[in-house]
Amino acid sequence: GNSVTQMEGPVTLSEEAFLTINCTYTATGYPSLFWYVQYPGEGLQLLLKATKADDKGSNKGFEATYRKETTSFHLEKGSVQVSDSAVYFCALSLQAGTALIFGKGTTLSVSS
Amino acid sequence: GAVVSQHPSRVICKSGTSVKIECRSLDFQATTMFWYRQFPKQSLMLMATSNEGSKATYEQGVEKDKFLINHASLTLSTLTVTSAHPEDSSFYICSARSETIGNTIYFGEGSWLTVV
Repeated sequence: GNSVTQMEGPVTLSEEAFLTINCTYTATGYPSLFWYVQYPGEGLQLLLKATKADDKGSNKGFEATYRKETTSFHLEKGSVQVSDSAVYFCALSLQAGTALIFGKGTTLSVSS
Repeated sequence: GAVVSQHPSRVICKSGTSVKIECRSLDFQATTMFWYRQFPKQSLMLMATSNEGSKATYEQGVEKDKFLINHASLTLSTLTVTSAHPEDSSFYICSARSETIGNTIYFGEGSWLTVV
C-alpha cells in the first residue's frame, strides 16, 4: 500500500547545526510530497512541497528534493534555530486535493 | 491566505456525553473536508472524508455511528463524538480542500478532546 516512513526521533541539535530528517515513501503512480510542521499546541502548517520528480521545495531555509529514483524527500536546513523546534511530518498525496498520507512525525529539539 | 478554523480548540467532557467539533473554511468554499485523529506521539490517521451534501466516507476501522460527520454547507463540517469514552481522548484535526486554489488542502488548528 501507500505509505510514508520517517526517521525516528527525537532529533536534538544545537543552534546553527545542520539538519536532515529522512523521509521515504511507497506509492503507486506519481504522488505529490509535502513537509508539514506542527509547533507545540498548534495545528499543522505546510512547510514545503514538491509535485514532481527532481522538484525542490523550499521555505524558511528548509529544503527538500523529490527523488524518484530513491523514493525519498529528505528535509534539510543548513542552520537551525531554537524556533525551529517542532514536530515535522512528511506526507504524500496521490492526487491533488485528496487526503494526505502522513509519516509518524519527527520531533526536533534545538537548544541554544 | 486561506484559513480553516476549528472550534473548540480544547474541550473536556464527561464520559458518556457527546461533543461536537466544528471545522470552518473562512474564506473559501470546500466541498471536501477531511477529519484526522492524532494519538500522542503518533501520526495523523485519516478518519473520514466529508463531502458537502452527502454522506461521509469513513476509513476502515472507524465507527461511523460513534463519529458522526455532517457537512451541511460549503464552509462547515462537524464531527460529533457520541457517547464519548476516555479512549476517545485525542487531538482531532480537520482539513479542507480549496478547489479554486489548485485543490490545495488547508489544515485547521486542531481540537484537543479530553474525556474524563
